Amino acid sequence: AIQLTQSPSSLSASVGDRVTITCRASQGISSALAWYQQKPGKAPKLLIYDASSLESGVPSRFSGSGSGTDFTLTISSLQPEDFATYYCQQFNSYLPITFGQGTRLEIK
Amino acid sequence: QVQLVESGGGLVKPGGSLRLSCAASGFTFSDYYMSWIRQAPGKGLEWVSYISSSGSTIYYADSVKGRFTISRDNAKNSLYLQMNSLRAEDTAVYYCARPALGVLGSYFDYWGQGTLVTVSS
Repeated sequence: AIQLTQSPSSLSASVGDRVTITCRASQGISSALAWYQQKPGKAPKLLIYDASSLESGVPSRFSGSGSGTDFTLTISSLQPEDFATYYCQQFNSYLPITFGQGTRLEIK
Repeated sequence: QVQLVESGGGLVKPGGSLRLSCAASGFTFSDYYMSWIRQAPGKGLEWVSYISSSGSTIYYADSVKGRFTISRDNAKNSLYLQMNSLRAEDTAVYYCARPALGVLGSYFDYWGQGTLVTVSS
């Protein structure tokens, strides 16, 4: 199975900060990567697919980049509603689908 | 709009069984693969199972193979997960999710609200 390693596991930041989260795959996955946001007690919400495509309705302060094994999710200017846990997911090798362990973004 | 609504979770003893349901609406259910994904308390996301649009092709994670059975009823726009021989480590919120591209090898654009399964004596 392809393993995804996110870093950092947790992060403290302030409103207005620029934040970057990294996801590294154990083998190349082309651009078959998605990013999700999850708030406590809620289902994950799709933010980015195909590594850099913004899901409809997602604010433009969210962006994704990368291909192969190294990927990043960037939030250009943190808003109060962005404090949540973020997960990456690969779908290049779909058996099994795998997720990163998550990055918890907290208010400083 | 697309809606996925899970039901059937609850408290069950180790070795017991439970059947989860997911009612789908707002899209042509029979055109899409569907999936179950779970999340143990305070933990990350784990894919559990996939079923093809017709129900003829099914895949499971190794952790549930031989114990869980996924199925669907396209006439009722419903997805199911029969869980047998439950273990404490199956305790999780179970999500029904739709692959955006309708097939294997996709990200998930719609998720249900989840249903909690607790396995404890």
